[in-house]
Amino acid sequence: DAGITQSPRYKITETGRQVTLMCHQTWSHSYMFWYRQDLGHGLRLIYYSAAADITDKGEVPDGYVVSRSKTENFPLTLESATRSQTSVYFCASSETRPEETQYFGPGTRLLVL
Amino acid sequence: GDSVTQMEGPVTLSEEAFLTINCTYTATGYPSLFWYVQYPGEGLQLLLKATKADDKGSNKGFEATYRKETTSFHLEKGSVQVSDSAVYFCALSPRIELNSGYSTLTFGKGTMLLVSP
Repeated sequence: DAGITQSPRYKITETGRQVTLMCHQTWSHSYMFWYRQDLGHGLRLIYYSAAADITDKGEVPDGYVVSRSKTENFPLTLESATRSQTSVYFCASSETRPEETQYFGPGTRLLVL
Repeated sequence: GDSVTQMEGPVTLSEEAFLTINCTYTATGYPSLFWYVQYPGEGLQLLLKATKADDKGSNKGFEATYRKETTSFHLEKGSVQVSDSAVYFCALSPRIELNSGYSTLTFGKGTMLLVSP
């Protein structure tokens, strides 16, 4: 399917486990982003990437790792999940520059027990 | 730093009522301004945007005017429908010169709109 997809859509895990959330886009957009959405906080940027092998921290990067070996994929890894990382995670991409229109995936709802 | 402030929700309206969701911002220079909408269970999608002062963005009956003098970008719709029930996010991006680096969007906390028949 064309567009931006995320997997899994729902995930339950336990504290201390490693979890990887996948993001794939078919547009060949240069910029990709990971956000988390929490009640009372809105959307907060975790990491972003300007191109393959170029990543940078956002507002709340602690406890997360990203990689981007291919333009179309931007996985987010929680190295040792904590309850505070229970959230809805959104991946997004931008065609030209990150301050322009961003296109969002459907989200991954993560519960850490 | 840049910031966006939205009115807290939920905003509850009856069908065909007039909608206003307030958004004010703090930024240096002349940012671009956006409204994104999130329908239940989905990701965000762009609703409208404006890139300079006095511009009006519009889409699906929604409108917002970039007011630099009041640093505002209020969202309005003349007659809401049940299908407009969603969370609405105001966002800004700074004006960045090409080849001088880049920045990212700054989002408000979102305002939930609930429309009843």
